[in-house]
Amino acid sequence: TQLLEQSPQFLSIQEGENLTVYCNSSSVFSSLQWYRQEPGEGPVLLVTVVTGGEVKKLKRLTFQFGDARKDSSLHITAAQPGDTGLYLCAGVTVSGTYKYIFGTGTRLKVLA
Amino acid sequence: DSGVTQTPKHLITATGQRVTLRCSPRSGDLSVYWYQQSLDQGLQFLIQYYNGEERAKGNILERFSAQQFPDLHSELNLSSLELGDSALYFCASSPRADNSPLHFGNGTRLTVT
Repeated sequence: TQLLEQSPQFLSIQEGENLTVYCNSSSVFSSLQWYRQEPGEGPVLLVTVVTGGEVKKLKRLTFQFGDARKDSSLHITAAQPGDTGLYLCAGVTVSGTYKYIFGTGTRLKVLA
Repeated sequence: DSGVTQTPKHLITATGQRVTLRCSPRSGDLSVYWYQQSLDQGLQFLIQYYNGEERAKGNILERFSAQQFPDLHSELNLSSLELGDSALYFCASSPRADNSPLHFGNGTRLTVT
């Protein structure tokens, strides 16, 4: 069974702090996506990374795909209360058909 | 708004009963995915349909079944419900059966009492 482990599982920080969320697997992925989910809603795509070593920036969020395409990280600079939510990584594998493997999730709370 | 519509939003039923969850994908999307999300286990993939045909199966119980209709909407049927089936059930759609990003509905919260 393919697993995507995210760490930390829970994170509570003060507004203005920086944080990094990790997404790790022993499997190689053709691409990796990050989603954010808010209470009462479905996950919403933040970014897709495809190439090993790729770095993408989305305002204060920086996403990196590992060189071997087995892991990824999400770094948030100067966190704001609006960043609060559940962050999910999803690795995409190809084995006859495309499969999305979702990570275990990181629940972030940013306190004002 | 993702464009994916799920009904009903909430469902409360008793053990042993059967329920049907409905999903309308985004306009133009051919692929539909069903996921189960419970507090302890994150998003678990159940099943995927593409243009009316089953494409991939995940950890879907034999008591659960799904189908995608010619108009591309999908239904997830859950039968002989158990307390442990209480969870959020999400539908997601994408244009093709590839690594296109998934667009999720807002889920159906199922409570089995």
